[in-house]
Amino acid sequence: DQQVKQNSPSLSVQEGRISILNCDYTNSMFDYFLWYKKYPAEGPTFLISISSIKDKNEDGRFTVFLNKSAKHLSLHIVPSQPGDSAVYFCAASGRDSSYKLIFGSGTRLLVRP
Amino acid sequence: DTAVSQTPKYLVTQMGNDKSIKCEQNLGHDTMYWYKQDSKKFLKIMFSYNNKELIINETVPNRFSPKSPDKAHLNLHINSLELGDSAVYFCASSKAGQGANEQYFGPGTRLTVT
Repeated sequence: DQQVKQNSPSLSVQEGRISILNCDYTNSMFDYFLWYKKYPAEGPTFLISISSIKDKNEDGRFTVFLNKSAKHLSLHIVPSQPGDSAVYFCAASGRDSSYKLIFGSGTRLLVRP
Repeated sequence: DTAVSQTPKYLVTQMGNDKSIKCEQNLGHDTMYWYKQDSKKFLKIMFSYNNKELIINETVPNRFSPKSPDKAHLNLHINSLELGDSAVYFCASSKAGQGANEQYFGPGTRLTVT
């Protein structure tokens, strides 16, 4: 029972162009969403987050959009750089006090020089 | 000045053995976690401790036992290892409360059970 889904296992983008990574969720109790980035042989690192009271959050080249009615969020990277090549995980947490993160299966982004 | 460290990085062992993975964080965080990344690459939470108290305990076999001697350490003991325990195990830490959403992960321990 996957509550957080990343349906694209991989994405290839030319350097300088926009990368769009998508994530869908099923649990309407989720109220906080995050993106983590993971390089090989390293742990995931926090990238950007968004609360359910917002529909957009921007941090430099990274923007996360949230569409609550569609239960969909996306991560935009503009412009994409070769160093952005990594696996990106979408995660969500709910309104209980445990702050348990539910992760998607990840999307591998390759930014071609 | 590693924030979240795990030892060992690689662990190869035989079925039936008992092993431990250690985790330490120097961020001053109150909450620590163990996650398992399986062969399908899903990261799933196993346990969470806040100030040495267990607050999340997912459906994990009782062969897995976390131990938190202090709030900077959360170790994972696994008894009677099985082939299906082979995975990458990640430790993480965070602030308490709302800050718990932003978790800092260690580099992972790749466990291979033969």
